[in-house]
Formats: sequence, structure tokens, C-alpha cells
Amino acid sequence: EAEVAQSPRYKITEKSQAVAFWCDPISGHATLYWYRQILGQGPELLVQFQDESVVDDSQLPKDRFSAERLKGVDSTLKIQPAELGDSAMYLCASSPRLAGGDLSLFFGPGTRLTVL
Amino acid sequence: SQQGEEDPQALSIQEGENATMNCSYKTSINNLQWYRQNSGRGLVHLILIRSNEREKHSGRLRVTLDTSKKSSSLLITASRAADTASYFCATDNNNDMRFGAGTRLTVKP
Repeated sequence: EAEVAQSPRYKITEKSQAVAFWCDPISGHATLYWYRQILGQGPELLVQFQDESVVDDSQLPKDRFSAERLKGVDSTLKIQPAELGDSAMYLCASSPRLAGGDLSLFFGPGTRLTVL
Repeated sequence: SQQGEEDPQALSIQEGENATMNCSYKTSINNLQWYRQNSGRGLVHLILIRSNEREKHSGRLRVTLDTSKKSSSLLITASRAADTASYFCATDNNNDMRFGAGTRLTVKP
């Protein structure tokens, strides 16, 4: 069964360092999401792509976060510089375009980031 | 920002009992979905209910939706220890997917 791939699974870094996360969605899925999940809370949307275009990045802290999906397939989320408060699980999800407009998300396993 | 609020935040029951979780949301929606997350893992889609539907079933899952009250409930019948996980509701408003804070369900064997 096709899955969303994410790497690395775990990342430990010191504050002020740069980190990058990678996501490969299910083949053919046009929509890609990056979410941040702080321990004990629900996922919060950071950025949404439709193909290679950003649909919504209103919640992305653009002073330090950037995201790209250059060819409309895999995607990279970068943080520079990392801060202590960035410690969280970063989840990637993808979705096909469904008939009737409904979409459900397929999530990857996530990248657990710890900033020291 | 998060859209919904789940209630209760945590629920502990015995195997075989039913578990009910509630979700309230704030904006208009196209549909509402429920997801499950095992500890430290990604989320898995469970069930979707459209804004013009009031109730939906899938196996041991029953979802209700009351758009006038902006609320939904998820019922898991005959719970099993393997149902132990966090459950999140998510609202879809024109493909803008927002999640609630989740209910942590523990099913004791």
C-alpha cells in the first residue's frame, strides 16, 4: 500500500542551527500539507500546496520557516534558525483530488524535532 | 490556529464498553472527519461525514453531525485495547483542513 514518506524520523539540533525535513507524498496526490504538532495538542497547519503552488501559508512563521515543492511532487520544510519552541512533531500529509470535492488526508510518520 | 475542541480531553474505559467523543467547531464546513493517532505516529483517517449528512456508520464507528450546533460525536462500540489512541476531529472548509486538540482514549484490557 502506498504511503507518505518522511525523513528524517528524528532530528536533534541546537538552537540557531538550520534544519530541513523532507516529504514524498503518495504518487499522484496533488495536494500536500505540512502540519506542526506540539506534544499533547492537535496538528496545526503550516502550509498547503496544490501541485507546486502554495495555497495557504498564512500560519507559517516566514521569518524562519520556508517550504517548497518545486516540481509538484516531493517537498522540503526548512527552519533557520531553530528556536527552542520549535520542538514538535512535523507531519506531512497528502491528498488526491476526489470526486465531489471531499478529501481525506494520508499522513506520513512524522519527523520528531528536538531543539536543545 | 486550531478549529475544533474535543471533549473530553481524556477518556479511560474498560474493554467492551462504548467510547463517545465530542467535537465542536467554529466555522462553516464542507465535511468533518475523524482521525486516529497512535503514540508518536502519523494520523490515520477513520471516517468522513458531509455537511448535509446527520449520521454515518463504519464498522464499530458511528459519527453524528449537527451543523446547527456546530458539533459532532464519534462513538466507538465494543472497544478493544487496540483502540487506545488519540482521536482528532478535522473540519474541511474548501480544502482548508483544521484539527482539534484531540481526545486521548485508553481502553483497559
